[in-house]
Amino acid sequence: EVQLVESGGGLVQPGGSLRLSCAASGLTVSRNYMSWVRQAPGMGLEWVSVLYSDGSTYYADSVKGRFTISRDNSKNILYVQMNNLRTEDTAVYYCASGPRYYYDYWGPGTRVTVSS
Amino acid sequence: EIVLTQSPGTLSLSPGERATLSCRASQSVSSSYLAWYKQSPGQAPRLLIYGASSRATGIPDRFSGSGSGTDFTLTISRLEPEDFAVYYCQQYGTSPRYTFGQGTKLEIK
Repeated sequence: EVQLVESGGGLVQPGGSLRLSCAASGLTVSRNYMSWVRQAPGMGLEWVSVLYSDGSTYYADSVKGRFTISRDNSKNILYVQMNNLRTEDTAVYYCASGPRYYYDYWGPGTRVTVSS
Repeated sequence: EIVLTQSPGTLSLSPGERATLSCRASQSVSSSYLAWYKQSPGQAPRLLIYGASSRATGIPDRFSGSGSGTDFTLTISRLEPEDFAVYYCQQYGTSPRYTFGQGTKLEIK
């Protein structure tokens, strides 16, 4: 059974940093397409970033230059380092995985609140 | 950038009725790259349909997807109480890599 579990969310001030983790079981992070997707309060889903199995990374324009996606193959964990956080980054952040074109596994999400 | 527009924003129906949800793309989308998700309150999204018309594992056959080009449809043939939720379409592209529609809320009438 595949499980993705996010952690690392919390309250941070504008301009601050946070690193989210996604621990995977039942699948190998390095062999799958792994993404972060977020959902602001009361809003829809917004793709944030993807890390391909070949190591390629892509970002939404809204986070480019501030967020960095990475993985630890030995621990089977996906990360996103979020710097220079803004109030508009407040959201539930989901880790998601699947074949290249869609997501068939999702974690329960971790909440990030950016506020002074 | 491809924009996905879902309609209606809210759909009010009764259990047992048929639901038809629309997803329109601003440019042509390969059918292989179009998926649908269901999100119940407080839960993560769940994959329903991929490749525009293929049901994901464990999804009941009352859910079906169709369409091509710029117009895609999710149909729920006979609504069950657990089907009332928010539904999103999603496409895979180049920049950005993934795009979601704004969602359709299916509510009990």
